Amino acid sequence: GAVVSQHPSWVICKSGTSVKIECRSLDFQATTMFWYRQFPKQSLMLMATSNEGSKATYEQGVEKDKFLINHASLTLSTLTVTSAHPEDSSFYICSARTLLNTGELFFGEGSRLTVL
Amino acid sequence: DAKTTQPTSMDCAEGRAANLPCNHSTISGNEYVYWYRQIHSQGPQYIIHGLKNNETNEMASLIITEDRKSSTLILPHATLRDTAVYYCIVSPTGSQGNLIFGKGTKLSVKP
Repeated sequence: GAVVSQHPSWVICKSGTSVKIECRSLDFQATTMFWYRQFPKQSLMLMATSNEGSKATYEQGVEKDKFLINHASLTLSTLTVTSAHPEDSSFYICSARTLLNTGELFFGEGSRLTVL
Repeated sequence: DAKTTQPTSMDCAEGRAANLPCNHSTISGNEYVYWYRQIHSQGPQYIIHGLKNNETNEMASLIITEDRKSSTLILPHATLRDTAVYYCIVSPTGSQGNLIFGKGTKLSVKP
């Protein structure tokens, strides 16, 4: 199947700093990518939909100024957690569909953020 | 909200078949049934999906009832590496949208 890669896989940062997470589709192009967040022992919750060449669409309750999403190309979307605080510590996961849209969503390996 | 209902947890003996049920009684005619699994601290992995016919691939089989209100994912010979949370999701065919994850079933494969 198609491969989605995230970087970094884990990051530890100090409170107040910003962290950027990259999501790349390695062998396909994706006009749309999705960013999820997962807290311990909970399911995945959609944060935002990232659209290539346009603004991201955020889910209710997700601050767009805090979670900056950029989808500059058909193979790369980035999520920047600005002024991170300990409550932002979570597992962030991206996913994408191929342009063929055979139905499946392909997920990255996830990025674990720990804010001290 | 997720449109599926799954048991919270299940156990399975290594080498035996794991049968994971899912209820989706409000499924629409254009919605597929998808199965994903998530091994601890990894991103979800696609397993299989189907519309109304039974499907089989190298990972699993998907059995969908004739009325499409429920389905069963079958792992024919479970191994310890199959221990994961399994998610059953319904989504329209050709959808450009995301998938909505419920709580899933925590499958524990025991030696």
